[in-house]
Amino acid sequence: AQSVTQPDIHITVSEGASLELRCNYSYGATPYLFWYVQSPGQGLQLLLKYFSGDTLVQGIKGFEAEFKRSQSSFNLRKPSVHWSDAAEYFCAASNDYKLSFGAGTTVTVRA
Amino acid sequence: GAGVSQTPSNKVTEKGKYVELRCDPISGHTALYWYRQSLGQGPEFLIYFQGTGAADDSGLPNDRFFAVRPEGSVSTLKIQRTERGDSAVYLCASSLRGVSETQYFGPGTRLLVL
Repeated sequence: AQSVTQPDIHITVSEGASLELRCNYSYGATPYLFWYVQSPGQGLQLLLKYFSGDTLVQGIKGFEAEFKRSQSSFNLRKPSVHWSDAAEYFCAASNDYKLSFGAGTTVTVRA
Repeated sequence: GAGVSQTPSNKVTEKGKYVELRCDPISGHTALYWYRQSLGQGPEFLIYFQGTGAADDSGLPNDRFFAVRPEGSVSTLKIQRTERGDSAVYLCASSLRGVSETQYFGPGTRLLVL
């Protein structure tokens, strides 16, 4: 069955420190891959997506993600976290129109 | 421009009642999706519309759930005989066409069934 796994339920990071969120997928063929962010009371906002080509993808708000086929992973990174990055982050995958989401990782930023 | 909007933002109802949730997609987007997000989980696919027709309704949990999009724009998700287990955030998304397109999400409707 197709699935997306985010191993970390909650991560706490200091402001200015780096952040990495893990995502693994299980699909028959390489799917399209996405990272979304959800702030309280707001909808899901797309940070970046991978369809093909360069395995290092740049997104909005200073985020990037790296696709690694050998590890079936698509980890999200940010070199220096800001307090406004506190939110819930979802990895998603699709091989057509139907997005499959991970359970999400909540990021807390401490001063 | 305007994004995806959903009304109401919150809905409280009693077990057994009927509810309707509305979604206004981005203008010109032919594809529309409904997802359901339960507490502590990621969104789960419910239904996909291409134009006026439901191209895939395989995610609807049972026959109490139904969705329409009569003019290919606004969509309504209808839930009959609500149950406490239906309590969740219902998210709507739209995309320009369909396959491989970026989906833009609305803020969701938080449904609480007492």
